[in-house]
Amino acid sequence: QKEVEQDPGPLSVPEGAIVSLNCTYSNSAFQYFMWYRQYSRKGPELLMYTYSSGNKEDGRFTAQVDKSSKYISLFIRDSQPSDSATYLCAMSGGKLIFGQGTTLQVKP
Amino acid sequence: DAGITQSPRHKVTETGTPVTLRCHQTENHRYMYWYRQDPGHGLRLIHYSYGVKDTDKGEVSDGYSVSRSKTEDFLLTLESATSSQTSVYFCATITGWDTEAFFGQGTRLTVV
Repeated sequence: QKEVEQDPGPLSVPEGAIVSLNCTYSNSAFQYFMWYRQYSRKGPELLMYTYSSGNKEDGRFTAQVDKSSKYISLFIRDSQPSDSATYLCAMSGGKLIFGQGTTLQVKP
Repeated sequence: DAGITQSPRHKVTETGTPVTLRCHQTENHRYMYWYRQDPGHGLRLIHYSYGVKDTDKGEVSDGYSVSRSKTEDFLLTLESATSSQTSVYFCATITGWDTEAFFGQGTRLTVV
């Protein structure tokens, strides 16, 4: 069983839609939860970061963590074509583990 | 940009040959990681280091070895390359568990 599970998609939405991306995890040692964005042929870049249960908002992006359910989410409001990328959840707490990544396409 | 450099950026090698990939950082970060990225699998951890000469295995370590003799360099070696090791390899560094990971540009390795 993978320590982190993420639906690879692909996910295609119209511009302006709300996007929901999710990951589940099995290792209770994970303490820090992150979302990275990766454009084609580039390295991942940090998008959001949190270490506690609850919500964290940054502009159009909201990261949500539920430690009791071992479930994290990323919401993108008013999605834009420039948001088209692969989104990877990541978790840290002894080692840094990534999910499989979800490929998102936002159509104009 | 964080000072993380991977070399080479591209390499084509033959099955059975040894290959070494280099990750060099100028940030003095303690932790360094090697990942491989394949379609549908995201970033899978190969090996990681939590200090000079301190390394540990990740989830896909078979066929790979690493060494870290200096803080700034983390080497990944494929002892005898196989076609299944064709992939894009990323190096990453962090200062601590609660900090951002910085990535190198990636190395595209093809084993023919």
